[in-house]
Amino acid sequence: DIQMTQSPSVLSASVGDRVTLSCKASQNINKNLDWYQQKLGEAPKLLIYFTNNLQTGIPSRFSGSGSGTDYTLTISSLQPEDVATYFCFQYNSGWTFGGGTKLELK
Amino acid sequence: QIQLVQSGPELKKPGESVKISCKASGYTFTDYAMNWVKQAPGNGLKWMGWINTQTGKPTYADDFKQRFVFSLETSASTAYLQINNLNIEDTATYFCTRRGAYWGQGTLVTVSS
Repeated sequence: DIQMTQSPSVLSASVGDRVTLSCKASQNINKNLDWYQQKLGEAPKLLIYFTNNLQTGIPSRFSGSGSGTDYTLTISSLQPEDVATYFCFQYNSGWTFGGGTKLELK
Repeated sequence: QIQLVQSGPELKKPGESVKISCKASGYTFTDYAMNWVKQAPGNGLKWMGWINTQTGKPTYADDFKQRFVFSLETSASTAYLQINNLNIEDTATYFCTRRGAYWGQGTLVTVSS
């Protein structure tokens, strides 16, 4: 099974900061990776699909990159409404979610 | 528009069974597999497996090969998750998802004596 490790588990940042979240796969996942945002009591919301494609309706401050085993979600200028938990998700072999990064305001 | 609407919250005792529904609308139900995802309180997301909506064949992730049953009512565009012999560790929110942007709202199952 493919394991997905996200870091950090908790991130505190200020409004306007550039924020980078990391996700590492236990083996090459060929860019078959999505990023989700989840707020308390809600279903996960797709932000980025296939590593670097912005889902319709998602603000352009969100972007994704990566290849092989290492992937990144970047928020270029943090907004208060971005406070949430972020999950990476691989579908190269079965499905696996990362453990999540909880993003807080400093 | 595409929607996945799940059944309401459940409160069950250990040893009982529960069956959660996920009704799809806005697309051809048999064109896409349906997946199930578990989220225990305060925890991350865990993929439980998927069901082929054309054949009805389920595939279970390793941790969900016992006690968990995926089924369909194709005529009603509905997928079901049944959990048998419930235990405390089954307390969680369960999501159906077509993957990507399409998720049900989640069904909270609470198992308590």
